Amino acid sequence: EAGVAQSPRYKIIEKRQSVAFWCNPISGHATLYWYQQILGQGPKLLIQFQNNGVVDDSQLPKDRFSAERLKGVDSTLKIQPAKLEDSAVYLCASSPSRGYTFGSGTRLTVV
Amino acid sequence: DQQVKQNSPSLSVQEGRISILNCDYTNSMFDYFLWYKKYPAEGPTFLISISSIKDKNEDGRFTVFLNKSAKHLSLHIVPSQPGDSAVYFCAAWDNAGNMLTFGGGTRLMVKP
Repeated sequence: EAGVAQSPRYKIIEKRQSVAFWCNPISGHATLYWYQQILGQGPKLLIQFQNNGVVDDSQLPKDRFSAERLKGVDSTLKIQPAKLEDSAVYLCASSPSRGYTFGSGTRLTVV
Repeated sequence: DQQVKQNSPSLSVQEGRISILNCDYTNSMFDYFLWYKKYPAEGPTFLISISSIKDKNEDGRFTVFLNKSAKHLSLHIVPSQPGDSAVYFCAAWDNAGNMLTFGGGTRLMVKP
């Protein structure tokens, strides 16, 4: 079974620039999650999709973050404009039921 | 409000000895608990889980204990190996929200 694919692996941008991350979940997993993990902290949920519908985006900073999951498969997470405090690892996970499979993450550095 | 807490940010253990990682939670709606292990530059990988109807689950060198009355769980690694050095996250499944809530992680260092 192929895992959760994420790209890019690393990204360095200047503050106020925009950036996008891509995630391809495990085939057949209806639920997809984006998490933000700041160094030294646990992953924090940003948004949860069930198929292509949003289930929970209460912790997504909607003034600068957006996410979509077209056709209930791949998902993109965008930040525009980026701030220094957005420097973190962005993890995508998919799940058939309880428990997740994570991708390798995208490490974002905002300078 | 942190619903899942790992109060020890780091733990150092000698190879061959037992590692005990602790986790506390506050939400009574959590009914399934997981431990994830994370190496640098990789995503967290699932290690072991336990349902709230059990108090112990064992898988090789890894055992998770759950004390529901104390809202506490622990992960025991016996014997610890240098390859176990990683960050360990405790996570709790909220059936109502259909999502995981993570603790802040504990960095385990196993010294040869």
